[in-house]
Amino acid sequence: DVKVTQSSRYLVKRTGEKVFLECVQDMDHENMFWYRQDPGLGLRLIYFSYDVKMKEKGDIPEGYSVSREKKERFSLILESASTNQTSMYLCASSLGQGAQYFGPGTRLTVL
Amino acid sequence: TQLLEQSPQFLSIQEGENLTVYCNSSSVFSSLQWYRQEPGEGPVLLVTVVTGGEVKKLKRLTFQFGDARKDSSLHITAAQPGDTGLYLCAVGHNTDKLIFGTGTRLQVFP
Repeated sequence: DVKVTQSSRYLVKRTGEKVFLECVQDMDHENMFWYRQDPGLGLRLIYFSYDVKMKEKGDIPEGYSVSREKKERFSLILESASTNQTSMYLCASSLGQGAQYFGPGTRLTVL
Repeated sequence: TQLLEQSPQFLSIQEGENLTVYCNSSSVFSSLQWYRQEPGEGPVLLVTVVTGGEVKKLKRLTFQFGDARKDSSLHITAAQPGDTGLYLCAVGHNTDKLIFGTGTRLQVFP
């Protein structure tokens, strides 16, 4: 079974803090994704990585950056957290155009 | 404009009832995926459909891909409380990325 793990299930941070969300997958997938999920807006892609050190902006990259130094790990960074970044963050991985496998999510609250 | 429209947005039913949810688009896709997301968890893939007119069954769930590959339906027979969750359809779009619909939130009461 594919396993995608995320570093925290719940996280509370203050405005202006730097936030790191970590994601690890154990199936040697090339592709990894970061989404945020908000009521009424569905899943929106923040960033996508198709290989180590390769990244591509998604639909809403502003205020975020990513890092992929190893194939199994994809990190999402909020350089200076703001209250409008309070959301559920979901990481996923996939092999080519196949199904995406999701982690359990991190519910981030920025105060 | 939303590429994928899902309907209904919300559905509350009693245990034992049947239901159908829909995923529609004006575009043609090579394949379509259905996911279910339970509260507090990430989405989990249920099925992928690739051929126009294809029907796939997964226990009480029946998935159909439209003949023109623009739409899909998910039918649940004799719904159970364990079916409660957010049902999402998704399609590939030029790259390895997926586009997700906004989902149908299903609540099944005992």
